[in-house]
Amino acid sequence: QKEVEQDPGPLSVPEGAIVSLNCTYSNSAFQYFMWYRQYSRKGPELLMYTYSSGNKEDGRFTAQVDKSSKYISLFIRDSQPSDSATYLCAMSERDSSYKLIFGSGTRLLVRP
Amino acid sequence: KAGVTQTPRYLIKTRGQQVTLSCSPISGHRSVSWYQQTPGQGLQFLFEYFSETQRNKGNFPGRFSGRQFSNSRSEMNVSTLELGDSALYLCASSLPRGPKNIQYFGAGTRLSVL
Repeated sequence: QKEVEQDPGPLSVPEGAIVSLNCTYSNSAFQYFMWYRQYSRKGPELLMYTYSSGNKEDGRFTAQVDKSSKYISLFIRDSQPSDSATYLCAMSERDSSYKLIFGSGTRLLVRP
Repeated sequence: KAGVTQTPRYLIKTRGQQVTLSCSPISGHRSVSWYQQTPGQGLQFLFEYFSETQRNKGNFPGRFSGRQFSNSRSEMNVSTLELGDSALYLCASSLPRGPKNIQYFGAGTRLSVL
């Protein structure tokens, strides 16, 4: 079993929809949680960075962490075709750790 | 400020050959991490270098090696290539101060082994 599980999708939604992307994990030592966006033929780009449980909002993006359930989410409001990409969750135990553990990524398609 | 630069972008090799990939971190960044990305396994950590020293290593065979130069540029080498080494190899760098788990990725080198 992988340390981080993520539904690969693809997830297809109409423009303007609210998108919910999720990851579950098994290592209770994870304290830092990140979401990356990866466009085709590009490297991952950091979207959200959170520590421990709770919510963090940045524009149309909200990251949510529930450590008791070992479950993290990324919500995208008013989704746009330009949001079409693969979304990767990543985690680490410490902020001094260079080793990130990634989910396999969810492909998102936002239809105009 | 230029981002993380990886060269070449694409490579085609045959089984048994060896390959060297290059990564130039963001100016001022001194740490470089390497990841392998495949459809089946996703992104997996290979190793991390800081000040020309390998400080962390993932669970990969010894055929995968790397080094870092005094200007922080890094190279990754894979010897005796196998079909399963076909992947996107990503390099990431971190700020010299602040959280080390905030990493900035390059566009990657796509390696195809025939």
